[in-house]
Amino acid sequence: NAGVTQTPKFQVLKTGQSMTLQCAQDMNHNSMYWYRQDPGMGLRLIYYSASEGTTDKGEVPNGYNVSRLNKREFSLRLESAAPSQTSVYFCASSELGGGNEQYFGPGTRLTVT
Amino acid sequence: AQTVTQSQPEMSVQEAETVTLSCTYDTSESNYYLFWYKQPPSRQMILVIRQEAYKQQNATENRFSVNFQKAAKSFSLKISDSQLGDTAMYFCAFMKHLVSGTASKLTFGTGTRLQVTL
Repeated sequence: NAGVTQTPKFQVLKTGQSMTLQCAQDMNHNSMYWYRQDPGMGLRLIYYSASEGTTDKGEVPNGYNVSRLNKREFSLRLESAAPSQTSVYFCASSELGGGNEQYFGPGTRLTVT
Repeated sequence: AQTVTQSQPEMSVQEAETVTLSCTYDTSESNYYLFWYKQPPSRQMILVIRQEAYKQQNATENRFSVNFQKAAKSFSLKISDSQLGDTAMYFCAFMKHLVSGTASKLTFGTGTRLQVTL
């Protein structure tokens, strides 16, 4: 039982390049989330998916797109990376409904030069 | 919109001592959940403790306990008998209570870095 996995763990991009961050969970959770963590800012929600087939914007969605490929997988795409997107990205999953614990992946450290 | 404030960017405590981390939040909701997450140097986010706002009793998990003051919108974390392994960033987080079938989004504070020393 791997929980939530993310690939890659580290990535360096040049401004304007694109990439996709991959996330998968094996806990049969319905809901999945993408957060970014910046120094002094805590974690902020980028996009989330309440269930397979649905996605919604979070607090900071600009510059990102997401795909809920199936119940297990939820990817985050940067179409044209900018230095402001340098951050640590976390994927999380949970059961539907209020109060449920979110389980986090190990994070991806992304640097855009 | 909800906001979560952690006013202590850094704290230090000696091993075996007790430390309290502060958290305040602002919301117009009457029913919600509050969490403390721990992030050690490994970067992994780990749930420490969870509190349901409609429960008056403060949550406890082994050496970790909370002081939940709903009227004051305060949610502090007490760590007793601090251990070196408690060294980490601690995040307070808020979650609205939603009807079933919807995703539960977290709003995080900016974190408190705790250093446990010998």
